[in-house]
Amino acid sequence: DAGVIQSPRHEVTEMGQEVTLRCKPISGHNSLFWYRQTMMRGLELLIYFNNNVPIDDSGMPEDRFSAKMPNASFSTLKIQPSEPRDSAVYFCASSLGSRNQPQHFGDGTRLSIL
Amino acid sequence: TQLLEQSPQFLSIQEGENLTVYCNSSSVFSSLQWYRQEPGEGPVLLVTVVTGGEVKKLKRLTFQFGDARKDSSLHITAAQPGDTGLYLCAGNFGNEKLTFGTGTRLTIIP
Repeated sequence: DAGVIQSPRHEVTEMGQEVTLRCKPISGHNSLFWYRQTMMRGLELLIYFNNNVPIDDSGMPEDRFSAKMPNASFSTLKIQPSEPRDSAVYFCASSLGSRNQPQHFGDGTRLSIL
Repeated sequence: TQLLEQSPQFLSIQEGENLTVYCNSSSVFSSLQWYRQEPGEGPVLLVTVVTGGEVKKLKRLTFQFGDARKDSSLHITAAQPGDTGLYLCAGNFGNEKLTFGTGTRLTIIP
């Protein structure tokens, strides 16, 4: 079975550029989560969707970050304009959406902003 | 903000030794999950504990949920190099959302 698929795996770009990260959740999962992981701050939840609707975006750092889920099989996380402090590994995860269900993570996008 | 503190932050031990890592919070969890993350990959679920005082075993790994559901521990018996990784606890406070702990980075030396 295909797991959560993220693209690209690595992204290096200059500050000020727009960055778009993509995620395809596991088919049948109705919750999708975007996380950011750094050595300093660990794994932080940015936003999550349930049935394609954003439920909690309190972790989104600022207006430069936006996320969409136009359908059940695709989500994007966009940073515009990007800054060096946005450098991190960004993970997407999906789950069946009820309490106690495991979250299945993709392999992440390693983002470097120069 | 619910914070989950894990200790120790780093642990390096010889193959065959036993170890325990801890996850603590000032808040009561609805449930708690443990994940292991290897380099270049996302976290993978090891176990979910739901009931205060619950103990679950997964081969050489033993997970315990505190009676008050505010803390948890992971004990590994006879550690092996394949146990190396970042261990993360994650608390659930009543919905789909998880709050992840600070992590314990474990290295098993052959």
